[in-house]
Amino acid sequence: SYVLTQPPSVSVAPGKTARITCGGNTIGIKSVHWYQQKPGQAPVVVVYDDSDRPSGIPERFSGSNSGNTATLTISRVEAGDEADYYCQVWDSSSDHPVFGGGSKLTVL
Amino acid sequence: QVQLVESGGGLVKPGGSLRLSCAASGFTLSDYYMSWIRQAPGRGLEWISYISTSGSTIYYADSVKGRFTISRDNARNSLYLQLNSLTAEDTAVYFCARPLYYGGDMYFDYWGQGTLVTVSS
Repeated sequence: SYVLTQPPSVSVAPGKTARITCGGNTIGIKSVHWYQQKPGQAPVVVVYDDSDRPSGIPERFSGSNSGNTATLTISRVEAGDEADYYCQVWDSSSDHPVFGGGSKLTVL
Repeated sequence: QVQLVESGGGLVKPGGSLRLSCAASGFTLSDYYMSWIRQAPGRGLEWISYISTSGSTIYYADSVKGRFTISRDNARNSLYLQLNSLTAEDTAVYFCARPLYYGGDMYFDYWGQGTLVTVSS
C-alpha cells in the first residue's frame, strides 16, 4: 500500500509562511489533496489536484507537487490557521484513497 | 446546501455490532460515490470503505474487510455502515464523506460531523 509521510508538527510565527510537506514514492505523478481539520470539527479540503483551491478557501493556501514531495504552503499565517493538515492521494495499485499521518500546525 | 448527518454511534462491547447511518441532503445521492472514513482518538484519518453510485462496486480497507459492510439506499438518501466483531481498535469517530471520483482519482469535498463509536467492556 502507498505510504504518505508528513512531519508530525510544524510551527510558524504569525504573518510568516508555513510549509507542510507530504512525502511519497514518485508522488509527483499523482494528484495530491490537502485537508484542514480544527479540533472537534470535520476535515475541510483546502487544496485539491495539487494546487487548486475550492471556492471560499483563501488564496493564502497553495500547493505544489514534484518528485517525491508535495507541499502545502500557507502564506501570511493567521492564528485561525492553527489546525491539523492531512495530505491524501489515490493509490491506483489498490484502488483506494490514502491519507498521510497529519501535521499539526502551531502558530506561535 | 450539501449536508451529511451521521447517526448510530455509541458504546458497544467487544465482539458487538452497530449500524451507522448517514443522511444526505442538498444533492442527488445517486449521482455520487460515497465513503466512510474514521479517526481514532488523537490519531489521523483512516479511509475504511467506499461504494459506487449503484452499489455495484465496493472497496474496504484491510483493517475492516470481512467485518464491516457498506451499503446505500438512494431512494432514502442514505448511506450505511454495518460494523460487526468490533474490537477496541475500532473506537473512533466515523465520518461519512462525499468523494469526487474521476479517472482514477478521488478526494472528499463534503464531510459529515461524525459519530463516535466506543468499543469497551
